[in-house]
Amino acid sequence: QKEVEQDPGPLSVPEGAIVSLNCTYSNSAFQYFMWYRQYSRKGPELLMYTYSSGNKEDGRFTAQVDKSSKYISLFIRDSQPSDSATYLCAMRKGFQKLVFGTGTRLLVSP
Amino acid sequence: DTGVSQNPRHKITKRGQNVTFRCDPISEHNRLYWYRQTLGQGPEFLTYFQNEAQLEKSRLLSDRFSAERPKGSFSTLEIQRTEQGDSAMYLCASSLDRGEGYTFGSGTRLTVV
Repeated sequence: QKEVEQDPGPLSVPEGAIVSLNCTYSNSAFQYFMWYRQYSRKGPELLMYTYSSGNKEDGRFTAQVDKSSKYISLFIRDSQPSDSATYLCAMRKGFQKLVFGTGTRLLVSP
Repeated sequence: DTGVSQNPRHKITKRGQNVTFRCDPISEHNRLYWYRQTLGQGPEFLTYFQNEAQLEKSRLLSDRFSAERPKGSFSTLEIQRTEQGDSAMYLCASSLDRGEGYTFGSGTRLTVV
């Protein structure tokens, strides 16, 4: 079993929809949780960073962490075609290496 | 500073050849990481440096792989006797000691034919 599980998708939504992306994990020691966006043939770009449980909002993006359920989410409001990309969740214990999910491919149609 | 720079962007090599990739991190970042990513998968950890010290290596890093970070600045990743299974995107990232997240480069795409 992988430490971090993520549905690979693809997830197809119309422009303007609210998108929900999720990851589950098995290692309760993870403390730092991140979401990266990756366009085709590019490196991952950090979108959101959260320490421990709670919510964090940045513009159209909201990250949620529920450590009791070992479940993290990323919500995208008013989705745009430019949001079409692969979204990777990542997490780590302390300042050790990041462990990534497989990524969810998101397609936002105009 | 324009971020993490990786060269070359794409490398095609014949099986059995050696290849070397370079990563120039953000100048004030003292931690540097190498990851490998295959199609449809998330990045997998290979190794990381704090300054010039290589502190951790993954089991994925076979004897054919070696990484260096002389003087704690740029880093190189060398693959000897390449195999078709080495075809992947090799990503470099850097961070501060207590950075919130890593900054990734655009990667080097290796194709072994």
